[in-house]
Amino acid sequence: DGGITQSPKYLFRKEGQNVTLSCEQNLNHDAMYWYRQDPGQGLRLIYYSQIVNDFQKGDIAEGYSVSREKKESFPLTVTSAQKNPTAFYLCASSINWEAYGYTFGSGTRLTVV
Amino acid sequence: QQQVKQSPQSLIVQKGGISIINCAYENTAFDYFPWYQQFPGKGPALLIAIRPDVSEKKEGRFTISFNKSAKQFSLHIMDSQPGDSATYFCAAMEGETSGSRLTFGEGTQLTVNP
Repeated sequence: DGGITQSPKYLFRKEGQNVTLSCEQNLNHDAMYWYRQDPGQGLRLIYYSQIVNDFQKGDIAEGYSVSREKKESFPLTVTSAQKNPTAFYLCASSINWEAYGYTFGSGTRLTVV
Repeated sequence: QQQVKQSPQSLIVQKGGISIINCAYENTAFDYFPWYQQFPGKGPALLIAIRPDVSEKKEGRFTISFNKSAKQFSLHIMDSQPGDSATYFCAAMEGETSGSRLTFGEGTQLTVNP
């Protein structure tokens, strides 16, 4: 079955540590996205990538970094510079950057301890 | 800036009732308006979507009503069922000029009581 796999499902991080969230898709989609979800705030765009080796900042990119070395993979690193990293992180993809349909993964819940 | 405003934040309806969730947008360049359904611990899934050239779209028990002049659109769930209990997000997207970036509303937590 084609889809988006996010791992791990739950992640705990100590303050001051960097952590990397994995996102892999086998849909052959060109565009990939990272969203952050907080209660009462909807989904906010962190980074997005339209093609391999290219990515752009979204609305809340500070404290995050990404890479897009392969079409199927778009890992997100939450750095120690992110002041409030505890949240539910969602990865999505679409056929191309002009396509309207998004497919979302099941998310990673990150908690800072 | 919040370009898509969604209300109510939470909604409780009885089984068989009609659930109505409203959204308003500011950017007149938006040309695609999807609704997503999210169950706890899962990612959102596309439920139904509309383009501004039509005023209504119906798929089963789910209907989007769109009012371009008022810059508002709403989701109606007819004959609501307990299995519809989830969080619903409206969203909007501008066309090719800025890439396919979805802007989401704040979400509505729907509870359908049996």
